[in-house]
Amino acid sequence: SYDLTQPLSVSVALGQTAKITCGGNNIVSKNVHWYQQKPGQAPVLVICRDTIRPSGIPDRFSGSNSGNTATLTISRAQVGDEAVYYCQVWGSLSWVFGGGTKLTVL
Amino acid sequence: EVQLVESGGGLIQPGGSLRLSCAASGFTVSSNYMSWVRQAPGKGLDLVSVLNKDGSTYYADSVKGRFTISRDNSKNIGYLQMNSLKVEDTAVYYCVGIPAASDSFDYWGQGTLVAVSS
Repeated sequence: SYDLTQPLSVSVALGQTAKITCGGNNIVSKNVHWYQQKPGQAPVLVICRDTIRPSGIPDRFSGSNSGNTATLTISRAQVGDEAVYYCQVWGSLSWVFGGGTKLTVL
Repeated sequence: EVQLVESGGGLIQPGGSLRLSCAASGFTVSSNYMSWVRQAPGKGLDLVSVLNKDGSTYYADSVKGRFTISRDNSKNIGYLQMNSLKVEDTAVYYCVGIPAASDSFDYWGQGTLVAVSS
């Protein structure tokens, strides 16, 4: 099976840039999708296919994918960005989710 | 606008059965992929099952042989029949739509809680 590795937590100062990583073997060969889940709510797709923002997602959210690491970047972080972020790929046999990263805005 | 609305969750004893329903609007279950993703309390996302547009299915090993995914094309409703429920099946179950020719989980319902306890 294909495994995705995310840090448990990331902290960022208000207004600064947060980077959340998602590690996987040769992940650059896969489409990486990112989801934001706020407490008590369903997840929301914020980045699909590495870099594409769905309609309604602020341009402060961006994604990249290279080598063995995909990255979700949140610029000008706001308190409202506090959430758990999950990466996800098609792992050749099935869909795979990362374990999630809790983003704290200080 | 796509809406997926789950129902059918509740408190059930171990060994019991429940059927979850997912009513879709703005999303045709027969021509896309429909899935169920669960989240145990305080835990991450766990893919349970996927029903492909061609009718083929995927099940996580943890539910294989106990859960069955299906759909009613005429009603545009998806289902998850859950039998032989275990305590470890306790979770919020989300119905999630995957657009055809995509592998991202684009459309999420609000979730329904399944609590398995004696």
